[in-house]
Parts: sequence; C-alpha cells; structure tokens
Amino acid sequence: DVKVTQSSRYLVKRTGEKVFLECVQDMDHENMFWYRQDPGLGLRLIYFSYDVKMKEKGDIPEGYSVSREKKERFSLILESASTNQTSMYLCASSHPLSTGELFFGEGSRLTVL
Amino acid sequence: AQKVTQAQTEISVVEKEDVTLDCVYETRDTTYYLFWYKQPPSGELVFLIRRNSFDEQNEISGRYSWNFQKSTSSFNFTITASQVVDSAVYFCALSEAETSYDKVIFGPGTSLSVIP
Repeated sequence: DVKVTQSSRYLVKRTGEKVFLECVQDMDHENMFWYRQDPGLGLRLIYFSYDVKMKEKGDIPEGYSVSREKKERFSLILESASTNQTSMYLCASSHPLSTGELFFGEGSRLTVL
Repeated sequence: AQKVTQAQTEISVVEKEDVTLDCVYETRDTTYYLFWYKQPPSGELVFLIRRNSFDEQNEISGRYSWNFQKSTSSFNFTITASQVVDSAVYFCALSEAETSYDKVIFGPGTSLSVIP
C-alpha cells in the first residue's frame, strides 16, 4: 500500500522554538509538497520540490524553510515558531507524469503556544 | 492570478438526495488542469478527478459526475443518490501551464454532510 507518512500527528511547541516536520513517501515520486490547511482558506502551498536538493517557493513561504536531501524525504522547518503558524500541515507527493494527482499524508496538527 | 472559489461553505442533504458542489475558477492561462479532491473525516485527502482545459466533455463515474464549462469558468461536481460515506470536505483545485502544472492551487473547500 503506497504511502506518504508524516512523522507527527500532533505537536505542541512554544513561540520561538525551532520545529521540524518530516515527511517520507515510498512511491519514488520526484515531486513533494508542503501545504498548510486552515478553516475557510483551504490548502495553501508553502514549498514544493521537483528533485533532491531542489525547492521552489509556494504562495506562503515566509517563516518556513525546507530540506530535501533524499528523494523520499521532504522536511518543513519553522526556524522560530509563532502563534500564527498554528495549523494543520499536509505533505504530498506526485509523479511528474501524473499531473496534479497528489498523494497526501494524514497531516500534522501543530499548535504554537 | 489563479484562483478557485467554492461559494458553498457547508451543505447538508438527506441520504439519497442529489447534491451539486460548485466550483468557479480564474486563470489567464489557456492551458490548465482542474481537479477535485475529497477529504473524509479521517483527514487524508484523496484525488478524485483531473480535467484539462481542452476537454470539456462531462464525466461520470458511478454516482459521481463532473460538469466542466469554460464559458462560465466552472467545474461543478454532482453526487447522485448521496450516501453517508459521501460526508467529507471536497476541494476543487487548479494548476496552470504558465506557473507549473505541478503547482496545484486549492479552493477553500465545501463541507458536505449526508444525514441518514
């Protein structure tokens, strides 16, 4: 069963902490994505990556960075967490030949106090 | 700029009723893709369908059907004879050739509740 696995379902962090959200996919997909989901706003793209060590900014990259050292792993980093980054974070992957068919993980709900 | 609007925030229907979820999109590109995704209460989004801008044929898959009309920039989704298992949040989405087909932009979603 193909999967996108996010390391933590629930996290609680304090303002100013550094936060790592990890995502691993087992489908050998080139493309990986990080979205955040907020009520009434849908999913907003933070960063995406076409290949190892490559990254592209999405629509809301401020306050975030990413790392893709291996094809199967895409990490989202909050250098200094703030309360407005409290959200559900969704990781996804896709094959470049299957346009827009994203496979999502279960999500990581982050609360920043 | 590309944009996806789903004006219906929440819809409730009684089981076996038909329901249509509206989606209106904005794009300056002539080549683009439209999608629908389903997010059940368990949380994991699931891809339902993809259409490209050159294919306006309606599509039917079991109880699901999609109506794509470029003239009104709409890509509506109809569930026939709804079931409780259809209860979910449904997202319409868009990607363009100009920015990147892989950069999928989602609408705000419509929460559908099917009441037994």
